[in-house]
Amino acid sequence: DGGITQSPKYLFRKEGQNVTLSCEQNLNHDAMYWYRQDPGQGLRLIYYSQIVNDFQKGDIAEGYSVSREKKESFPLTVTSAQKNPTAFYLCASGRQGYQPQHFGDGTRLSIL
Amino acid sequence: GENVEQHPSTLSVQEGDSAVIKCTYSDSASNYFPWYKQELGKRPQLIIDIRSNVGEKKDQRIAVTLNKTAKHFSLHITETQPEDSAVYFCAASRNYGGSQGNLIFGKGTKLSVKP
Repeated sequence: DGGITQSPKYLFRKEGQNVTLSCEQNLNHDAMYWYRQDPGQGLRLIYYSQIVNDFQKGDIAEGYSVSREKKESFPLTVTSAQKNPTAFYLCASGRQGYQPQHFGDGTRLSIL
Repeated sequence: GENVEQHPSTLSVQEGDSAVIKCTYSDSASNYFPWYKQELGKRPQLIIDIRSNVGEKKDQRIAVTLNKTAKHFSLHITETQPEDSAVYFCAASRNYGGSQGNLIFGKGTKLSVKP
């Protein structure tokens, strides 16, 4: 799905540092999502946003924060409070309601 | 809480054989069930989905069946090919409050198709 762009592809975090993952979509989707993927764990929902200027916590929001100032953009900040941030992070978007979600290529975050 | 169980976690088949992956869900209000295929290091891609008003849906070699009474749904791949090798995820929709459209995912099935 070329309409969802995540950057960077790889990111390294030092202890005590906040890092921000970018997610941009040009599909005109209202809803956007952030997932964390760990080996053998499937996809777990971190935050979601159904509309601009509004977002909700998912299942594992602790240690993360988001903003949704523009329809196209939904950045995720991994804060120093997230003690185990090493994972593959996936951003998705979709139309509101029970509609397919389309994923970006992901960002792999590691600890230095 | 809501849960989606997926089985098996790994599946190995011979090229040309069929593969079946099964999922069960806990929320009887779930009404949308997509399946995603994820190749190593890549994004999950939607391969087929089904809604609760349909019992079966087919797209070439791929089919999904849904049993709402038993709260389970299955992915069937016929005439498997080596390029079908990937991790497959099932998901079910959540239906409370402002979470319409949210999905809860199974833990995935790693399918290996041997030539």
